[in-house]
Amino acid sequence: EDQVTQSPEALRLQEGESSSLNCSYTVSGLRGLFWYRQDPGKGPEFLFTLYSAGEEKEKERLKATLTKKESFLHITAPKPEDSATYLCAVDRGSTLGRLYFGRGTQLTVWP
Amino acid sequence: GAVVSQHPSRVICKSGTSVKIECRSLDFQATTMFWYRQFPKQSLMLMATSNEGSKATYEQGVEKDKFLINHASLTLSTLTVTSAHPEDSSFYICSAAEDGWSEKLFFGSGTQLSVL
Repeated sequence: EDQVTQSPEALRLQEGESSSLNCSYTVSGLRGLFWYRQDPGKGPEFLFTLYSAGEEKEKERLKATLTKKESFLHITAPKPEDSATYLCAVDRGSTLGRLYFGRGTQLTVWP
Repeated sequence: GAVVSQHPSRVICKSGTSVKIECRSLDFQATTMFWYRQFPKQSLMLMATSNEGSKATYEQGVEKDKFLINHASLTLSTLTVTSAHPEDSSFYICSAAEDGWSEKLFFGSGTQLSVL
């Protein structure tokens, strides 16, 4: 059975304190792994797509990496505006765009 | 970037009534759109895949007669929750992919449905 597990469930960081969020997955025929940011009461906002093990992508203070079993979202020197829930999702492949989401990591960055 | 508009953002209805939610791709054509549901503290769960001009494909366990999906044009998909009950109260979100496939799947802003 396909599974996407995110950890930790919640993370509190002081501004400037770098850390990583984890997404482990077991999916047959992975087409792509997605990272999204979601603010309360809003739809997910696209961050990255990773397709193969060893791939890395960066955007401002965020860097996403992918192995055969997990993905990490590294946050360098976070700011309070980075506070949000970060979602990991996998494309299950039979139809492009059918995503299977993890429960997310709720990140709080305090000044 | 591409924008997906969802309306309404919030709706409160009485038990037994039907509610329609619209999802529009504003500046691109979307052959395929997706509908998700999210309960508090839970992950987004895919409900169905909406295909322009054909029947929607529902995920296992989703009642197709309760959640009616219509994708009448390349820019509009609608989800109708029929005979809504309190257990249908949830956050409903649509997504769309530009040109059928893009590494960017764009999401609407969601609709919070509360059934009294």
